[in-house]
Amino acid sequence: GAGVSQSPSNKVTEKGKDVELRCDPISGHTALYWYRQSLGQGLEFLIYFQGNSAPDKSGLPSDRFSAERTGGSVSTLTIQRTQQEDSAVYLCASSPGVAGGTYEQYFGPGTRLTVT
Amino acid sequence: AQSVTQLGSHVSVSEGALVLLRCNYSSSVPPYLFWYVQYPNQGLQLLLKYTTGATLVKGINGFEAEFKKSETSFHLTKPSAHMSDAAEYFCAVAGGSYIPTFGRGTSLIVHP
Repeated sequence: GAGVSQSPSNKVTEKGKDVELRCDPISGHTALYWYRQSLGQGLEFLIYFQGNSAPDKSGLPSDRFSAERTGGSVSTLTIQRTQQEDSAVYLCASSPGVAGGTYEQYFGPGTRLTVT
Repeated sequence: AQSVTQLGSHVSVSEGALVLLRCNYSSSVPPYLFWYVQYPNQGLQLLLKYTTGATLVKGINGFEAEFKKSETSFHLTKPSAHMSDAAEYFCAVAGGSYIPTFGRGTSLIVHP
């Protein structure tokens, strides 16, 4: 079946511009995560959605970052007024959720964001 | 609370040699444990997982890991390394939180 997809695969933007990154999770997966991976670094948790519950935003690094998930499916991560330190690979993952009895995650290929 | 420590940011082995990537965890509840692999310019892919039951877990590509509660470890092994195993490997723990916690990753280098 189809896996997690992300678009665009690459995004180059100028400092100060806003960007939107999209994630299409696996159908039926109730949990969705966003992570940031900087060069040579591990995964930095950003935000977690579970079903219709309020998202866990505890990992968002600043108020320039926001995310939404429409209809319990597609998610968009928005970065306003981008800064050079926002340059990274943004990874999305989905999971069957707690009700599925597992926490295993299925990752998309990522969006590489470069802020010039 | 939960945390993961991966010992060694880089591990270098010869092709055909044993691969051993170390992972120690901390969890306030019985853990779910995972190993993921990331090839260049790709997302993470699940290698194997431990939930309950048998403590020796076999995964894809000949990898396996053993859950040792007394040592709070979940080390990843493969008897014979292939060049295609060169990648970044991440250990993760879940259960104490709905959000899995990842280690910083270990880069596996395989040389001829």
